[in-house]
Amino acid sequence: GNSVTQMEGPVTLSEEAFLTINCTYTATGYPSLFWYVQYPGEGLQLLLKATKADDKGSNKGFEATYRKETTSFHLEKGSVQVSDSAVYFCALKGQAGTALIFGKGTTLSVSS
Amino acid sequence: GAVVSQHPSWVICKSGTSVKIECRSLDFQATTMFWYRQFPKQSLMLMATSNEGSKATYEQGVEKDKFLINHASLTLSTLTVTSAHPEDSSFYICSARPQGILAKNIQYFGAGTRLSVL
Repeated sequence: GNSVTQMEGPVTLSEEAFLTINCTYTATGYPSLFWYVQYPGEGLQLLLKATKADDKGSNKGFEATYRKETTSFHLEKGSVQVSDSAVYFCALKGQAGTALIFGKGTTLSVSS
Repeated sequence: GAVVSQHPSWVICKSGTSVKIECRSLDFQATTMFWYRQFPKQSLMLMATSNEGSKATYEQGVEKDKFLINHASLTLSTLTVTSAHPEDSSFYICSARPQGILAKNIQYFGAGTRLSVL
């Protein structure tokens, strides 16, 4: 079945450091891929998405490229800020599915 | 942006009682709502998909008589944990998908409900 694997956290960085959170997936066909972010005390918010191979999703300085050959959708940001501290979830929606399948989430802590 | 309100945010109950959690889409109509369960340091696990006006579709291993879902209107879905036991203690999250074909990849999430069963 479909599944998502993302790197274990927590990830602790200093402000302005480069961020990578790895995400790989297993799915049949052509899933859509997402990154969601959950700030403390809030619900999950869509950060970015990509719906086909080689698409690059981007938002708020974050980027992720849909790599079908490596079944990956790694999240990157060139310079993190303290306000980026949150839990990040990689997710997929199968080609025929309606629900999202999530990774376990990666906690990011950024210090000044 | 679109808002999904989940209530209550935290509930503590005695073993054997039932607890109802509400999920409301505040500024859009949602034909489909989803209920997830999240254990500490685990991913969100889909419990069921709720379509307005019809019975919910439960994922394998989820007891439908234990977790009653009602989606009576386009803005409200409820999850009732019946005869709750300590093993039901968890974080429950709902999401709502707006009407329309263009929204097929869009879900808005509630902030979650923490259930603690004593």
